[in-house]
Amino acid sequence: EAGVTQSPTHLIKTRGQQATLRCSPISGHTSVYWYQQALGLGLQFLLWYDEGEERNRGNFPPRFSGRQFPNYSSELNVNALELEDSALYLCASSLLLGVGNTIYFGEGSWLTVV
Amino acid sequence: AQTVTQSQPEMSVQEAETVTLSCTYDTSENNYYLFWYKQPPSRQMILVIRQEAYKQQNATENRFSVNFQKAAKSFSLKISDSQLGDTAMYFCAFMKHAGGSEKLVFGKGTKLTVNP
Repeated sequence: EAGVTQSPTHLIKTRGQQATLRCSPISGHTSVYWYQQALGLGLQFLLWYDEGEERNRGNFPPRFSGRQFPNYSSELNVNALELEDSALYLCASSLLLGVGNTIYFGEGSWLTVV
Repeated sequence: AQTVTQSQPEMSVQEAETVTLSCTYDTSENNYYLFWYKQPPSRQMILVIRQEAYKQQNATENRFSVNFQKAAKSFSLKISDSQLGDTAMYFCAFMKHAGGSEKLVFGKGTKLTVNP
């Protein structure tokens, strides 16, 4: 069974541009999460989608946005890129939560802003 | 808000020995879940073990076991018979049981090095 898959593996963008990262959850999982792992800041929760709806959002500015498609895949968009957006972006998925289902992670997408 | 604290930024252990990683957390919730994730140099987060707060029995997964002390809000990970492949960052994480804010709250991590 395929795990959580993310693309691209690496992405280099210029400050001010937009970046789009994509994620496919484990088959059968309806919830998708995005986390940012920036150097020295640890893992920070970004967004949670379930059944196509944004369910929760971390403490990030509105230029971080995303969506979940009918097939439960998701994309994360970062507009007006800033140097400090350089980080590993991890996508994760789980079955519908509320009962503490385990969250499984993908291998991440490295975003470098120059 | 929940917080997770890992007080050991780095640890090392000799191959085949046992090591314990510490984690404490702060919450007013009664029902929640605790996890240990491993992040090797490949950067993928791999679930090591999970514990439901309502279960008194400590979780075990092969060489990995936890010491869950709910009253003390402590959740340590013991790795027995350490192997070179255990070298990684280890993150302790907390998740509320329910309530519409499902998200993992992570500690800062402990970098574990297993020496041959």
